[in-house]
Amino acid sequence: SQQGEEDPQALSIQEGENATMNCSYKTSINNLQWYRQNSGRGLVHLILIRSNEREKHSGRLRVTLDTSKKSSSLLITASRAADTASYFCARSLSGTYKYIFGTGTRLKVLA
Amino acid sequence: DSGVTQTPKHLITATGQRVTLRCSPRSGDLSVYWYQQSLDQGLQFLIQYYNGEERAKGNILERFSAQQFPDLHSELNLSSLELGDSALYFCASSVDYRVGKLFFGSGTQLSVL
Repeated sequence: SQQGEEDPQALSIQEGENATMNCSYKTSINNLQWYRQNSGRGLVHLILIRSNEREKHSGRLRVTLDTSKKSSSLLITASRAADTASYFCARSLSGTYKYIFGTGTRLKVLA
Repeated sequence: DSGVTQTPKHLITATGQRVTLRCSPRSGDLSVYWYQQSLDQGLQFLIQYYNGEERAKGNILERFSAQQFPDLHSELNLSSLELGDSALYFCASSVDYRVGKLFFGSGTQLSVL
């Protein structure tokens, strides 16, 4: 499959809790990005981490990248009901620059 | 608003027919990408263009074709449609395929009956 693997497939948490989503991949990457999709709408870019970076922060978002394990994680701290959405990781494949998306994690934040 | 425009928003057609989906990228973006999203599925990469030239191909069916025109807008042509082609088709654009950060349109919902 050309897709990355994300887990969990679905996650349900209470408002105020942290949410962690993971993404694994198989081939070398230029960078890895995380996107959010609300109810079948277009995806919105959240954060990009390059292959030579290990951690990045943006507001309540924290992304880590472990190239030796070929995995990344997205942490959303102090979640809000408005964070309810599907979250996708996208890998930019080395050489081809194809942007391959995973199957996504459906996050539900309960008020 | 991402600045990427996709038309039409909805399309209902019959099996065996041919349709054309249109995408206008953000002003200044040279790269255009097409993705297919079936119900509750991830995004399947179809094809990528840069400044009018095909850059990369994914699992795009032979019944599907695309092109990017000199004014940088792109069209995705789907022919001999089958029920399984029903999906949400997204176009995205970026300044350059090497830069990343894709901006997505709101998609075209295709229903094949």
